[in-house]
Amino acid sequence: EAGVAQSPRYKIIEKRQSVAFWCNPISGHATLYWYQQILGQGPKLLIQFQNNGVVDDSQLPKDRFSAERLKGVDSTLKIQPAKLEDSAVYLCASSFPGELFFGEGSRLTVL
Amino acid sequence: SQELEQSPQSLIVQEGKNLTINCTSSKTLYGLYWYKQKYGEGLIFLMMLQKGGEEKSHEKITAKLDEKKQQSSLHITASQPSHAGIYLCGADISGTYKYIFGTGTRLKVLA
Repeated sequence: EAGVAQSPRYKIIEKRQSVAFWCNPISGHATLYWYQQILGQGPKLLIQFQNNGVVDDSQLPKDRFSAERLKGVDSTLKIQPAKLEDSAVYLCASSFPGELFFGEGSRLTVL
Repeated sequence: SQELEQSPQSLIVQEGKNLTINCTSSKTLYGLYWYKQKYGEGLIFLMMLQKGGEEKSHEKITAKLDEKKQQSSLHITASQPSHAGIYLCGADISGTYKYIFGTGTRLKVLA
């Protein structure tokens, strides 16, 4: 069974630029999550989707972050404009429900 | 304040020693996960606990969920250098499959 796929693995941008991350969850998993993990900290939930609807986005900085999950499968997380403090690993996870599976993450460095 | 507290924050043990990591919640635990993470990599699923008093083991790692105390413990017997990494607990504290994570415990095992 294929796992959660994320791309790109690494991205370096300058502040005020934009960036987008893509996630393809495990087939059949209705719930998809985006987490932000800053170095030395645990993952912080940004947004939770159930199929293509948003369940929780209370911790998403909506002035610069946006996420969508079209057709209830793939998801994209966008940051525009990026700030230095956005440097982190962005983790995508999916669940069916119950077991929570993570992708390898996308490491963002903002210069 | 952190809704999931892990202790200790870091741990250095000699190979062959036993160790315990704790995860305590300020709210009811509807489901708790333990993951292992190596620097720059994704989260590797270890165990999921759902019922009070539940205990699971995998190789030399045992996890318990004490629902009354709203905490879980992860115990490693006869630690090896391969056990080194960051151990994260994640939990559903709302019953809506919204998973939050602790700050992690950094384990180093000296050969």
